[in-house]
Amino acid sequence: QQQVKQSPQSLIVQKGGISIINCAYENTAFDYFPWYQQFPGKGPALLIAIRPDVSEKKEGRFTISFNKSAKQFSLHIMDSQPGDSATYFCAATVGQGAQKLVFGQGTRLTINP
Amino acid sequence: GAVVSQHPSRVICKSGTSVKIECRSLDFQATTMFWYRQFPKKSLMLMATSNEGSKATYEQGVEKDKFLINHASLTLSTLTVTSAHPEDSSFYICSALRPTRANEQFFGPGTRLTVL
Repeated sequence: QQQVKQSPQSLIVQKGGISIINCAYENTAFDYFPWYQQFPGKGPALLIAIRPDVSEKKEGRFTISFNKSAKQFSLHIMDSQPGDSATYFCAATVGQGAQKLVFGQGTRLTINP
Repeated sequence: GAVVSQHPSRVICKSGTSVKIECRSLDFQATTMFWYRQFPKKSLMLMATSNEGSKATYEQGVEKDKFLINHASLTLSTLTVTSAHPEDSSFYICSALRPTRANEQFFGPGTRLTVL
């Protein structure tokens, strides 16, 4: 019940296209859902996060869509650029972020020029 | 965003020796820090939660006597890998919890440990 399932495992998108990564969870106590971006040899960096009281959050080219009833959330990257090529992790936690994060398996995104 | 540093970024040691990794929050005080381990092309695996002034809470299957964690101040947590073996070779990443309404976790750049 603590798992967060992420798909796809890898994704190739053409420059300018939309990248979509999906996550699903079981624990209804989760109340904070961040997305992290990780480049090779580096630590993850917080990209964007959402709480379950909203269905969508947008920051620049990055949007989180959240479906509470389906227990799913997704990351959309608009106008994808080669610099967006990285591994993306969704995560979830309880206590509005104050507790330990449960990470998805990760998605390796490649943006072709 | 907030800054979390780790030192060293890379370390190579001989089997049987101990290695200490430092995690510092540079621009905020963190009562809670986390230590993760990441294998190549895999997700982050939480090892332990480090609370300032108290004993760390270890995840199931993580040997507390092998991975010693100390959180002596609000800006510094250390992970010591004792009697390191080749199977301990991995990428170790810390994160610090910034205690604001958002409760965001900020990650360090990671430490690549290679045990020969």
